[in-house]
Amino acid sequence: GESVGLHLPTLSVQEGDNSIINCAYSNSASDYFIWYKQESGKGPQFIIDIRSNMDKRQGQRVTVLLNKTVKHLSLQIAATQPGDSAVYFCAEIGGTSYGKLTFGQGTILTVHP
Amino acid sequence: NAGVTQTPKFQVLKTGQSMTLQCAQDMNHEYMSWYRQDPGMGLRLIHYSVGAGITDQGEVPNGYNVSRSTTEDFPLRLLSAAPSQTSVYFCASIGTGGSGEQYFGPGTRLTVT
Repeated sequence: GESVGLHLPTLSVQEGDNSIINCAYSNSASDYFIWYKQESGKGPQFIIDIRSNMDKRQGQRVTVLLNKTVKHLSLQIAATQPGDSAVYFCAEIGGTSYGKLTFGQGTILTVHP
Repeated sequence: NAGVTQTPKFQVLKTGQSMTLQCAQDMNHEYMSWYRQDPGMGLRLIHYSVGAGITDQGEVPNGYNVSRSTTEDFPLRLLSAAPSQTSVYFCASIGTGGSGEQYFGPGTRLTVT
């Protein structure tokens, strides 16, 4: 079936660096994408989202970029901090099926002080 | 406003036993979902609901039942537990009023022996 996947399973950066986490999706009908952060022993936490009619969206220290031509999504974290260490998932919703998130495998981000 | 609550946090079952995982939300969200997360994996959708009295199957529904008698509650029932159901279970509550209205509970860690 359709899936959402990630290019890199792990990412290790130094504190203060910028981090980029990538995600590829295969469902061309996907029109809403969400990035989640999951810390150990906790549920996923919403970071930022983007709809398919946008190419870029910025939040606090985070930016999501969407390239529909190549079906690619990225999450950029500016000035990465040790507290950003977690697993990051992209998820996709098609249409208005808000209850049906399709998750990627996840990227482990480790930030070294 | 408690968000999404799940009980219990931990549970050990023997093969063949049944149990119900509880999920409640106080945000008046129409959409609620159940996911399971296996080690090193993303979340996979078990069942979801688009409102009271309406449920549907997700990607991995076998062995699980759900009901949605109220907007607030969305219990997940394991009919006859199997070791393959050992996982962490997350409930999600999703609003459609705007960005960021996807909330996950803290999870239930289930072990079936």
